[in-house]
Amino acid sequence: QSALTQPRSVSGSPGQSVTISCTGTSSDVGGYNFVSWSQQHPGKAPKVMIYDVSKRPSGVPDRFSGSKSGNTASLTISGLQAEDEADYYCSSYAGSYTWVFGGGTKLTVL
Amino acid sequence: QVHLVESGGGVVQPGRSLRLSCAASGFSFSSDSMHWVRQAPGLGLEWVAFISHDGNNKYHADSVKGRFTISRDNSKNTLSLQMDSLRPEDTAVYYCVKDRGGSWTFDFWGQGTLVTVSS
Repeated sequence: QSALTQPRSVSGSPGQSVTISCTGTSSDVGGYNFVSWSQQHPGKAPKVMIYDVSKRPSGVPDRFSGSKSGNTASLTISGLQAEDEADYYCSSYAGSYTWVFGGGTKLTVL
Repeated sequence: QVHLVESGGGVVQPGRSLRLSCAASGFSFSSDSMHWVRQAPGLGLEWVAFISHDGNNKYHADSVKGRFTISRDNSKNTLSLQMDSLRPEDTAVYYCVKDRGGSWTFDFWGQGTLVTVSS
């Protein structure tokens, strides 16, 4: 199973919007609507922010949104806040009871 | 609320074995599939293994197939990972992760336990 491709880092100023991409193949991201995004602060466990491409778990601010086009999924964070600074990982079901993650993107709030 | 607590990590020599456990509470453990996911120091996440709610279906990543075995005891609300023939590249924080159910995505993550394979 190959990792999904994410940018190493993105940045934005408070109040701005940023988008993180996650590129896979037709065997994972493009083949299933089972993409999720997890946020991880340093030394902490990941927390799911988006699942099923665009759904938000209870308690996640609506500033976080997800989408997908073809083999690429995206996470958009609007109205950036300092506490959004973290690592973000995408993941996708890849068929035959296997899952694949992206390499992670470090978000810096300037 | 959902609570997942991993244990069993530590330092182990290459070629030896280790067994990780995950104590689950706050949800109907026997109704949910579970995963193990690991994160090598300073690196990204890697899916390791999946087990169905009743334990009848188990799947492992190619990188651990034949060496690691996922299992569960629904009477004790416990998930386990038996790790044999450990290699230095297995060094990582191992997370117990609840499956979302009805969706092939992850739901809730435990805090993780560190496994270090070194001589």
